[in-house]
Formats: sequence, structure tokens, C-alpha cells
Amino acid sequence: EVQLVESGGGLVKPGGSLRLSCAASGFTFSSYSMNWVRQAPGKGLEWVSSISSSSSYIYYADSVKGRFTISRDNAKNSLYLQMNSLRAEDTAVYYCARGTPFNDWGQGTLVTVSS
Amino acid sequence: DIQMTQSPSSLSASVGDRVTITCQASQDISNYLNWYQQKPGKAPKLLIYDASNLETGVPSRFSGSGSGTDFTFTISSLQPEDIATYYCQQYDNLPAITFGQGTRLEIK
Repeated sequence: EVQLVESGGGLVKPGGSLRLSCAASGFTFSSYSMNWVRQAPGKGLEWVSSISSSSSYIYYADSVKGRFTISRDNAKNSLYLQMNSLRAEDTAVYYCARGTPFNDWGQGTLVTVSS
Repeated sequence: DIQMTQSPSSLSASVGDRVTITCQASQDISNYLNWYQQKPGKAPKLLIYDASNLETGVPSRFSGSGSGTDFTFTISSLQPEDIATYYCQQYDNLPAITFGQGTRLEIK
């Protein structure tokens, strides 16, 4: 069974940093691209970033480019999102998702940016 | 970026009704269009990929069609457990993946 478990969310002040993790199991992690998608409270889905299976290709939404960094460790079956210079508008539930299309999703981790 | 216009934004229907949601892309995306279901408080779930392919394990009352710029998602006979918000998603214009704004489906 595919499992994706996000962690690392929490309350952070504007301008602060946070690192999200996504622990994967139940599939060959190194064979799949991975993604981060977020959902602001009461709003729709917004794609944030994607990384190819070997980290050769990395993409970001314009809204996070230059502030967020996606990475992965295939030896640890883990996906990461380093978020710097956080803004109030980054407040959202952050989901990791497997593949393209997004075949499987984690349960999400809430990031709240507030003073 | 490619814009996805999804309609309606909300919909109320009765159990057993046929329900249709449309998604229009701002430019040709071939068949690079997926549909997701999100129940309240839960993560989204892939239902349809590449416009018309049913994801494994998804009930056959769900279907999708279309290509180019116009796409349709259909529930042939609405069930109480289908109450959710539905999103279309295009991935033709990689790396910029975009979602529709969602359709909230309620039982009448």
C-alpha cells in the first residue's frame, strides 16, 4: 500500500523558514517524480513544485520561485520542501503527491504564517 | 500559464441524477487533463487521468471525455458518497501545472 506522510508544518512568523518532509513507503520511491501541492484555508488546490525521479528536473510555481527549494533523498525514501521568506499567503495545508498525474497523496501538513 | 475554467462552481443534485462538470483550457492541452475528488477534510484522490481513463478502483459511474480545450466529467448516477469538491488539472504546459477552481457538489 502506498503511504505518504508529511511532517514539519507549524506556526511561523512572516519572513521565517520551515522545512517540510514527506516519508514514502509501499512503492519504489526512486522511480517516481514527486510533487508538492498546497491548499489555503477554504480555497482550491495550487501546485507548488515538482522534482523528477533522479532530481534532474525541478520546477516551481512562480508564487514560490526563489523562496522554496524542493529536494529528495532516494536512499531515505523522502521528499523535502525548504520554505524560506515565508509570507502570510503561504498559509496552507501542504500535500506531497506521487507521480504525474498525482496518483497518491499524503494527508497534508498545515503551515501557518502569522505574527 | 494555461488557465483552467471549471463550471459550475457549485452544484446541487439528487441521488441518482446524472451530474456533469465542465473544464475549459485557455489553450490546446491535447488530453493532458486529470480529474480529482476531494472530500471534506481529506486529501484529493485521482479519479480520471488523460481526460478519459478511469483510475484503478474508481467506480464506473465516473467518466471523463474531451480533448483540446473542452473537457467533461460525468457521474452517471449520483451516490451519497460522491459529495465532494471536484477539480480538473492540466499538465500539458509543464512545468506549470494548473488546477481548475473546483466544483462543490451537494445532495439536494
